[in-house]
Amino acid sequence: DIQMTQSPSTLSASVGDRVSITCRASQSTRNWLAWYQQKPGKAPKLLIYQASSLEIGVPSRFSGSGSGTEFTLTISSLQPDDFATYYCQQYNGYPWTFGQGTKVEIK
Amino acid sequence: EVQLVESGGGLAQPGGSLRLSCTASGFTFSNYEMNWVRQTPGQGLEWVSNISISGSITLYADSVKGRFTISRDNAKKSLFLQMNSLRAEDTAVYYCASGRYCTHDKCNNAAYFQKWGQGTLVIVSS
Repeated sequence: DIQMTQSPSTLSASVGDRVSITCRASQSTRNWLAWYQQKPGKAPKLLIYQASSLEIGVPSRFSGSGSGTEFTLTISSLQPDDFATYYCQQYNGYPWTFGQGTKVEIK
Repeated sequence: EVQLVESGGGLAQPGGSLRLSCTASGFTFSNYEMNWVRQTPGQGLEWVSNISISGSITLYADSVKGRFTISRDNAKKSLFLQMNSLRAEDTAVYYCASGRYCTHDKCNNAAYFQKWGQGTLVIVSS
């Protein structure tokens, strides 16, 4: 199985900050990597697919980069609605696997 | 509006069974592979099972293989998960989620989870 490791596990930041979350894969996933945002009590929401493609309706302050084994989700200017937990997921091969999550907290 | 609505969760005893359902609306259900993804309390997300558009091909995580069965009814735009021999570690919120878009015998590479239901809670406890 491909193991996905996110860092940091928790990130404290202020509104307006630029924040980045890293996702590392135990083997190459090419660019078959998605990012999700989850708020308490809600289902995950797709933000980014194919490492850097923005899902329709997602604000442009979200961006994704990387390929192979290292990927980054960046929020260019953190907004109040962005405080949530973020997950990466590889879909290069079965079983599809998720990172453990990164909680973005208010500083 | 795209909607996936799960039902069937609840309390089950270890060794017992539950059948989850997911009803779709607002998109062409029969053109999408479908998945079950679960989230254990305080932990992350785990993909559980996938089914092809025809239902002829199914995939399972090792943790549920031999115990869970995924199926679908395209006419009723419904997805199912039959869960047998339940264990305490199966306690989780179960989500149905869309997968790859397919036409005839070809699917795209979009095996991420674009559409999600609200989830249904399964608790396995005596």
